[in-house]
Amino acid sequence: QQQVKQSPQSLIVQKGGISIINCAYENTAFDYFPWYQQFPGKGPALLIAIRPDVSEKKEGRFTISFNKSAKQFSLHIMDSQPGDSATYFCPSRAASKLTFGTGTRLQVTL
Amino acid sequence: DVKVTQSSRYLVKRTGEKVFLECVQDMDHENMFWYRQDPGLGLRLIYFSYDVKMKEKGDIPEGYSVSREKKERFSLILESASTNQTSMYLCASRMRDRFSNQPQHFGDGTRLSIL
Repeated sequence: QQQVKQSPQSLIVQKGGISIINCAYENTAFDYFPWYQQFPGKGPALLIAIRPDVSEKKEGRFTISFNKSAKQFSLHIMDSQPGDSATYFCPSRAASKLTFGTGTRLQVTL
Repeated sequence: DVKVTQSSRYLVKRTGEKVFLECVQDMDHENMFWYRQDPGLGLRLIYFSYDVKMKEKGDIPEGYSVSREKKERFSLILESASTNQTSMYLCASRMRDRFSNQPQHFGDGTRLSIL
């Protein structure tokens, strides 16, 4: 089973700051890197995803960057807002199943 | 928009009861999933179904079973509920995709308490 290690487990950022969440994976055959966002009381929802032939993907304030040699990908949230406070997951994929892990709990303070 | 509906937001049952959690999706998705979410443990896959009448064990199937008689409905069954099955249960669906790149669409969960 492919493993993804996500860090940090929790993160507090001031409004307007940059939030950075990292994920490191083991298997280079892994070829799809989605990020899911979960608000309290809701199910997770796909936020943004990247494939390894692309080094960076940006959607609004959210950017995924991918470092194939380091086997790491990161989520950057620019100009973080209190409404970004949520839990973020970078699931790994194996045999068409996604393994979600524990996630990163982000809190954006005023 | 895809809609995944879980029949109950909150459910309280007693130890030893047989418990049914229901999930319905309205987008004709082939794949459906059941997860449980616990503090410090994240989301863990219990069972999934590729299509009607098909099911596969996930990472923690013990104590659970599932039923997929119709494409839109995926039921999770706790055969004899125990207190360690107190958890948030999340259902998801996804369009069939050879490379599993299609996103999973989640319901808002059922918070189940076993007393």
